[in-house]
Amino acid sequence: LAKTTQPISMDSYEGQEVNITCSHNNIATNDYITWYQQFPSQGPRFIIQGYKTKVTNEVASLFIPADRKSSTLSLPRVSLSDTAVYYCLVGGDNQGGKLIFGQGTELSVKP
Amino acid sequence: DGGITQSPKYLFRKEGQNVTLSCEQNLNHDAMYWYRQDPGQGLRLIYYSQIVNDFQKGDIAEGYSVSREKKESFPLTVTSAQKNPTAFYLCASSIVAGEYEQYFGPGTRLTVT
Repeated sequence: LAKTTQPISMDSYEGQEVNITCSHNNIATNDYITWYQQFPSQGPRFIIQGYKTKVTNEVASLFIPADRKSSTLSLPRVSLSDTAVYYCLVGGDNQGGKLIFGQGTELSVKP
Repeated sequence: DGGITQSPKYLFRKEGQNVTLSCEQNLNHDAMYWYRQDPGQGLRLIYYSQIVNDFQKGDIAEGYSVSREKKESFPLTVTSAQKNPTAFYLCASSIVAGEYEQYFGPGTRLTVT
């Protein structure tokens, strides 16, 4: 499973766009990039998944450059309720569903 | 409403006692998982099950046991052999094994003294 590196923490203010970058230099050809969000004392929640270029849903956008060695989760116009830990995961469906969570990025949104 | 339920939310036990954590899902998912989370850390996989009557060890299975007698249920027993059982335990499921979109329950916080 590819190792991921992301900032330990980030601060932002309400209404700003937040971009969290994840490095995954050893990503394999069949690996997907998946992001989860976790609030304190709750289970993680799937946010978005992508393979290349750009993916957008109602919550976030995921930007993946052509070399796929990094990815950026973009949260538009964050609010206080977006304060959470965000995890970047990389892997393929041949790993039995094993998710490897690193320490994640603790995002703090201030008023 | 479909989802995953874990009970209880908080659990307290004395050292040396076995304790079983409940996990039930009504999503009709084939695969189920147990994770452990320690303060400030990511999740670590304890056990997972791809189908009924089958399960495999994850990265930190020592001191834990599971069963999968029904598709909906995947209970986890924390035995007295687990050296540091105090943690936040999360159960998850996915449509099939290998899916990176997993649905998590609310978790059980176990404290052993």
